[in-house]
Order: sequence, then structure tokens, then C-alpha cells
Amino acid sequence: QKEVEQDPGPLSVPEGAIVSLNCTYSNSAFQYFMWYRQYSRKGPELLMYTYSSGNKEDGRFTAQVDKSSKYISLFIRDSQPSDSATYLCASGGNNRLAFGKGNQVVVIP
Amino acid sequence: DTGVSQDPRHKITKRGQNVTFRCDPISEHNRLYWYRQTLGQGPEFLTYFQNEAQLEKSRLLSDRFSAERPKGSFSTLEIQRTEQGDSAMYLCASSPNSGTSGGTYNEQFFGPGTRLTVL
Repeated sequence: QKEVEQDPGPLSVPEGAIVSLNCTYSNSAFQYFMWYRQYSRKGPELLMYTYSSGNKEDGRFTAQVDKSSKYISLFIRDSQPSDSATYLCASGGNNRLAFGKGNQVVVIP
Repeated sequence: DTGVSQDPRHKITKRGQNVTFRCDPISEHNRLYWYRQTLGQGPEFLTYFQNEAQLEKSRLLSDRFSAERPKGSFSTLEIQRTEQGDSAMYLCASSPNSGTSGGTYNEQFFGPGTRLTVL
């Protein structure tokens, strides 16, 4: 079992829709939870960073962590074509990060 | 540009050759990480340094791989006797100081990556 599981299926949404992405993790020691955005053939870009359970909001992006169920979510409101990218969830302790496989999101104008 | 930089951006080599990649972290960051990413997968951890000390290595890092960070600044990743299975994007990341100085030391910022193709 991978430490972070992310259903890698592509997701197409119309512009303005809410994008909902989810991951689960298995390591109870993980304290840090991130979402990265990655454009084709580029390095991952840190989008959201949370520590422990709860919600964090940044503009159109909301990250949620539920440590009791080991569930990580990202919501993108009012999605834009420029949001089209691969979104990677990641989790870790004090050192390395474990990543999910990523979701390719396409926002259709 | 004050982000993480990597060189070269692309490398094509023949099987059996040695290759070396360089990473320059964000200047005030003392932690540096190497990851490998293959198509359709998320990055996989290879190794990390705190200053010049290499503190953790993944099982993925076979004896053909070696990483150094001699003065606690830039780092190099060398792959000896490359194999076709080594073809991947090699990513470097850095994170801020940890410990009593505060900061979010697992907030890792990635460079653009080096794409390796082994023919």
C-alpha cells in the first residue's frame, strides 16, 4: 500500500465550476499536508500547506485535512482555464514527503 | 530569480554513461531534497540533506546513485552506469530552517527538474 493514495483519473469541468480533489494517507506520523500544482514538464509548485487537521483557505483554494479519517481534500472555486494542470497531494513528517499520483484537471472555457 | 534552480534542464545519454545533475537551493534554506518522477506518477523521495549532512536515503537510491552537498549550499546527484530505467525527471527541493528558529521546515519548494533520457 502506498503511503498516499490519490485516484489518478483525469477530471474535466466547465469554467466556473467547483473542482474537488481527494487523497488518503496511511502513515499516522504524518503531520504536514500539501497540495502542489504541476504544469506539463515543469516542477511542482506549492499551492497549499496545512499542519494538522482543519481547513485553510487562500483565495479560490481551500484545503481540508481530517486526521481522524486520514483524508485530504482540495477545493477550487470558480475554476479558470488557467487552473488546468496536474494536482498532487503530498504528506509527510519532518523529512521526506510522500506524494499521490496526481489528478489531471482540465477546465473547459 | 530566487527559487530553486537545476542544471541541466534536459540530459540525453547513452546507457552505461555517467551523468551528474546540479541543484542550487533557495539561499536561506538549509534542507535540500532529491526526488524522482516518472510519467504518470508523483515524485518519489530519493534523499535529503540538512546542511552538508546526508540524513536519509531511500531504498530507490541504488549504489549507482550518489548525492553530495559539500558546503551545505548546492548539491549534485550522480548516476553511474545509467540504465534505461533511470529515465525520469529528477527534482530538487529545498525547505526553510527547522528547529528553534521556527519556520515551516517541511514546506518544500521545488525546482524545474532535470529530465533524463537514457537511450
